[in-house]
Amino acid sequence: DAGVIQSPRHEVTEMGQEVTLRCKPISGHNSLFWYRQTMMRGLELLIYFNNNVPIDDSGMPEDRFSAKMPNASFSTLKIQPSEPRDSAVYFCASRISLDTGELFFGEGSRLTVL
Amino acid sequence: QQQVKQSPQSLIVQKGGISIINCAYENTAFDYFPWYQQFPGKGPALLIAIRPDVSEKKEGRFTISFNKSAKQFSLHIMDSQPGDSATYFCAASPDSNYQLIWGAGTKLIIKP
Repeated sequence: DAGVIQSPRHEVTEMGQEVTLRCKPISGHNSLFWYRQTMMRGLELLIYFNNNVPIDDSGMPEDRFSAKMPNASFSTLKIQPSEPRDSAVYFCASRISLDTGELFFGEGSRLTVL
Repeated sequence: QQQVKQSPQSLIVQKGGISIINCAYENTAFDYFPWYQQFPGKGPALLIAIRPDVSEKKEGRFTISFNKSAKQFSLHIMDSQPGDSATYFCAASPDSNYQLIWGAGTKLIIKP
């Protein structure tokens, strides 16, 4: 299997612009997680889905952040409008089910908001 | 009570030495304790994990030691190699919950 695939790997944008990050989970994995990683705050869980349904979005920092999972093989994390403090590495991860199995991470999307 | 405290923040070890990273937790409901390894530019990857029914788990040069009464667990890397240089994260979760609580990470550098 190709693993969790994220795009873009790097994104540089200006404050106020919309940013869309994409994720393809491992085939057969029913749970998908979006994380944010910064030096100051470490790994933060933003939202997770089970069977394409959002289960808990309490980690989403503000209404500027939204996530969707329209089908089992695709998810997006959108930031609109973006701000410099959103600069971070955003990871998508998947696992077989919500409470079973190893968590597999993608290589991340490094976002820089100028 | 949900925190997992990890130390040290950074660690430099000579090649061939033993690297030790420690984590402590408060929530006695935690039932699963994994360690993840992250190389620069990559996502974290599961290295080794333990459940509290055993006090130690070994996989190759990597060992988790678990002290349930002290609510502490640690990662030991024997015969540390330059290729082990990475950031290591401990984590914990209750068996009935799926949300991992992460430590802050330890940046390990193995000097050749």
